[in-house]
Amino acid sequence: DIQMTQSPSTLSASVGDRVTITCRASQSISGWLAWYQQKPGKAPKLLIYKTSTLESGVPSRFSGSGSGTEFTLAISSLQPDDFATYYCQHYYSSSRTFGQGTKVEIK
Amino acid sequence: QVQLVQSGAEVKKPGASVKVSCKASGYTFMSYGISWVRQAPGRGLEWMGWISGYNGNTNYVQSLQGRVILTTDTSTNTAYMELRSLTFDDTAVYFCARDYYNIDYWGQGTLVTVS
Repeated sequence: DIQMTQSPSTLSASVGDRVTITCRASQSISGWLAWYQQKPGKAPKLLIYKTSTLESGVPSRFSGSGSGTEFTLAISSLQPDDFATYYCQHYYSSSRTFGQGTKVEIK
Repeated sequence: QVQLVQSGAEVKKPGASVKVSCKASGYTFMSYGISWVRQAPGRGLEWMGWISGYNGNTNYVQSLQGRVILTTDTSTNTAYMELRSLTFDDTAVYFCARDYYNIDYWGQGTLVTVS
């Protein structure tokens, strides 16, 4: 199975900060990568798919980039609603794997 | 609108089995797959497996092979996840999710407690 490694595990930031989260795959996943946001007690919410395509209704301050095995989620100006846990996930071939998650906390 | 509605919470003893249902509406069931994802308390998301809504083909994560069975009933647009030989480590919230390459819609989650 393809392994996904996210960093950092925890990120402390302030409202208005630009933050980036990195996700590395153990092999090339040809851009088949999605990002999700999860808040406590809720199901995850799709933010970005195919590396950089913003899901409908997701604010434009979220962006994704990368290729091959290294990918990044960026939030250009952190808002109060953005404090949550973020997961990357590959969907290469018929399997899927999530990264271990990055918790974005208030500094 | 797309909805995935899961069955209610379950409490099971070690060694037992559990079967969780996921009823889909608002889209053509056979045009998408369903993935199952679980989340143990305080832990991250673990993908368990995927089933095609079209022909029932399945793919399971290696660590659960032989213990998890995914099925669908296309007459009722319902997907099922059965997990056998439960241990305390299987205590988690189990999610179903619509899956066509990426996962876009999620069920509300079903808490399974092994105690």
